[in-house]
Amino acid sequence: QVQLVQSGDEVKKPGASVKVSCKTSGYTFTSYGVSWLRQAPGQGLEWLGWISGYSGDTNYAQRLQDRVTMTTDTATSTAFMELRSLKSDDTAVYYCARAGYDVLTGYTFDFWGPGSLVTVSS
Amino acid sequence: QSMLTQPPSASGTPGQRVTISCSGSSSNIGGNYVFWYQHLPGTAPKLLIHTNNKRPSGVPDRFSGSKSGTSASLSINGLRSEDEASYYCAAWEDSLRGPVFGGGTKVTVL
Repeated sequence: QVQLVQSGDEVKKPGASVKVSCKTSGYTFTSYGVSWLRQAPGQGLEWLGWISGYSGDTNYAQRLQDRVTMTTDTATSTAFMELRSLKSDDTAVYYCARAGYDVLTGYTFDFWGPGSLVTVSS
Repeated sequence: QSMLTQPPSASGTPGQRVTISCSGSSSNIGGNYVFWYQHLPGTAPKLLIHTNNKRPSGVPDRFSGSKSGTSASLSINGLRSEDEASYYCAAWEDSLRGPVFGGGTKVTVL
């Protein structure tokens, strides 16, 4: 069965960086992309970006593209999301999701990881 | 502020029908497909409806989606206690070249 296992919760100071991992299993990693999304306390879901499991091509959300980097390790079927220059409003639960892409339908997030809480506090 | 507008809350008694609306514009819902996700606190979100009205395998047929113009809706027929969750609509936004989500609707089963 498809599974996405994320790294543990993190506490970071403002200005620091965080790197969250998402180890996938149960499907062919290179046949899908992985998207990262987040939910800040009391807020809705926000899409952060997408990376192709096949080519490593990325598509980042415009408002974060200067601070976020997504990478993959196809040998371990793992995706990574690094967010730099952290601010207090980056405090959120970060999710990875398997993301099929079709030019007609966009991204379909059909399996999700359990989430990793990133807290930014001085 | 979300580009897709949902009511913050909805409620119903067991067995009732609840409908959640999602309002957008021509650059998102009006020209693209709509998706719905169910999110219970402390768990991973779950894909409920894709491409406007299709259910993934395993999603009960009590859940249905529809779209008309720049609005979409999710209906839950025969409301059950386990349906108590937050529901999010999503659609591709042409101007951002990525998906946008509604603010979420928390459904309470009375």
